[in-house]
Amino acid sequence: AQSVAQPEDQVNVAEGNPLTVKCTYSVSGNPYLFWYVQYPNRGLQFLLKYITGDNLVKGSYGFEAEFNKSQTSFHLKKPSALVSDSALYFCAVRDRDGGSQGNLIFGKGTKLSVKP
Amino acid sequence: DSGVTQTPKHLITATGQRVTLRCSPRSGDLSVYWYQQSLDQGLQFLIQYYNGEERAKGNILERFSAQQFPDLHSELNLSSLELGDSALYFCASSAPKTGGYGYTFGSGTRLTVV
Repeated sequence: AQSVAQPEDQVNVAEGNPLTVKCTYSVSGNPYLFWYVQYPNRGLQFLLKYITGDNLVKGSYGFEAEFNKSQTSFHLKKPSALVSDSALYFCAVRDRDGGSQGNLIFGKGTKLSVKP
Repeated sequence: DSGVTQTPKHLITATGQRVTLRCSPRSGDLSVYWYQQSLDQGLQFLIQYYNGEERAKGNILERFSAQQFPDLHSELNLSSLELGDSALYFCASSAPKTGGYGYTFGSGTRLTVV
């Protein structure tokens, strides 16, 4: 069965510093990987996805993620953090058993806190 | 506005009661997914419907049921409610061709069982 792990419950970063939110996955076959962000009292918003192709994926709000097949990782990164980036971040993998409409399996989430 | 509409936004009810949560997917989307978000369990997949038919089932309790209607809106029914059912319930939808390539989430229904 597909699964994702986010090893850090919380990441603290100073504004202007680079940030990394970690995600590792376990899938059979080629993974479809996603990052979502959740702001307080809001639904999840799509940030970026890896389906195939270039290992470095660029997404919304200046975020990017690096797919590393050998390490089964899909870490989220941003070169310079903003206070407004503070939110809950979820990594997800698509359940390939569901075919093209397969549901997403989410990690437990990582709370990112960016201090001024 | 994501285009996925969930009602009500907040719901407070007593143990043992039954509630219905409603979701209208984004225009053109055929798939609807229900998720439960709680502090201790994270984001748990409950159930998926595609064009009116149940497509996949996750960690959904027998006390919970769902359906998708011909107009594609979906309802999640929660019965014999317990304190532990208090959570945020999210609905998401996806387009026929992009499917699992990405969802659009609603803003959720916060259920409090007292």
